[in-house]
Formats: sequence, structure tokens, C-alpha cells
Amino acid sequence: GNSVTQMEGPVTLSEEAFLTINCTYTATGYPSLFWYVQYPGEGLQLLLKATKADDKGSNKGFEATYRKETTSFHLEKGSVQVSDSAVYFCALSGRGGGNKLTFGTGTQLKVEL
Amino acid sequence: GAVVSQHPSRVICKSGTSVKIECRSLDFQATTMFWYRQFPKQSLMLMATSNEGSKATYEQGVEKDKFLINHASLTLSTLTVTSAHPEDSSFYICSASTGQFLDDSYEQYFGPGTRLTVT
Repeated sequence: GNSVTQMEGPVTLSEEAFLTINCTYTATGYPSLFWYVQYPGEGLQLLLKATKADDKGSNKGFEATYRKETTSFHLEKGSVQVSDSAVYFCALSGRGGGNKLTFGTGTQLKVEL
Repeated sequence: GAVVSQHPSRVICKSGTSVKIECRSLDFQATTMFWYRQFPKQSLMLMATSNEGSKATYEQGVEKDKFLINHASLTLSTLTVTSAHPEDSSFYICSASTGQFLDDSYEQYFGPGTRLTVT
């Protein structure tokens, strides 16, 4: 079956530091890949997505590239801000399963001044 | 666009009572809605998938008689937690999808979640 593995948190960074959150997946076929962000007390918001190999999703300074050869979709940002503090979820949607999402366990990011 | 609301945002109920949570798509028609449960510091666990006008499909291990789901219209789905117990306390999140395959993917739009506390 499908699965998503994320690096465990919490990740604590200073403002303006470089961020990487690792995500690898297992799926049959060619899934779509997503990063969602959850701010404290809120639901999930789609941050970015990529639907085929070598696609790069980007939004708000965040980027992730769909790497089929390494089955990875690592999230990166060059310079984090305090306002980026949140929980980040990697997820996939398998073509054969319609639009069911499989989530990773989430990585909490804390950005300090 | 693509806004999903949930009501209530927080609810406290006594053990043994039932509580209903509503999920609405405000500006689009949702052919499919999903209900998730999120435990503290954990991922989202899909509970069930509902399509408008048909019975919900529950994930393995989810009691369908305890978590009643009704997708009565293209803009409304409800989750009723029956005979609630303290272990049902959790954050419940719904999402909605048009069911259309856009930009090579189906997209789900998430509600803000409902915090249920059973005392």
C-alpha cells in the first residue's frame, strides 16, 4: 500500500536559516505529491504540489521537487521566518485510489528570533 | 474560492451523549467529502469517505455505527459521534473535493477542524 515517511521533529531554526524537511514515499504507479501546512489550532492548507516526476512545486518561498528515482519530495526554504512556525505534512494521492490522501506523521517547525 | 467550513469549531459534551459536526463547502459543489481524525502531535487518520447521496465508505477499524456520516447534499456532510466517550476526544477535520481531475490531481480542500472534548 501507499505510505509516506517524514523526518521527525520538532525542527528548531533561527530566523533566516535554511530549511529542509525530508519526505520519502512508497506507492504504486505515479502518485501526486503534496505538502500541507497546519498552523496552531487550524486545519490544513495546501502549500504546494507536484503531479509528475521532476516537477517542482513552489509557494511562499517553499519548494519541493518530485524525485521519482529516490521516491522523495523534500521541502526546502532558503530563509525561514517566525511566521513559518507550523506543522508540515507530506502527503500523496495515488492515481488508482482516486483522491484519497495518505499523510506522513507531520514535522513541527519552530522558528526563533 | 474553495472554502470549507466546519461547525462547531469547539464542542464539549458529556459522556454518553451524541454530538454532530457539520462540514460545508461554501463556494463549490463537493461530490466527495472526507472525514479525518487527528490525535495530538500525530498525523491525520482517514475515517471515511462520503459521496453525495450514497453511504459512506469507512476505513478499516472505524466503527460506522459510532461515527455516523451523512452526505445529504453537494455542500453538506455531517459526522455524528454517538454515545461519545472520553477516548473520542480529538480534533476532527473534514475535507471536500469536486471530484474533478484538475492539473493532474484531485485536490482536497480542508475545513478548519472541530475540537471535541468528551467529559
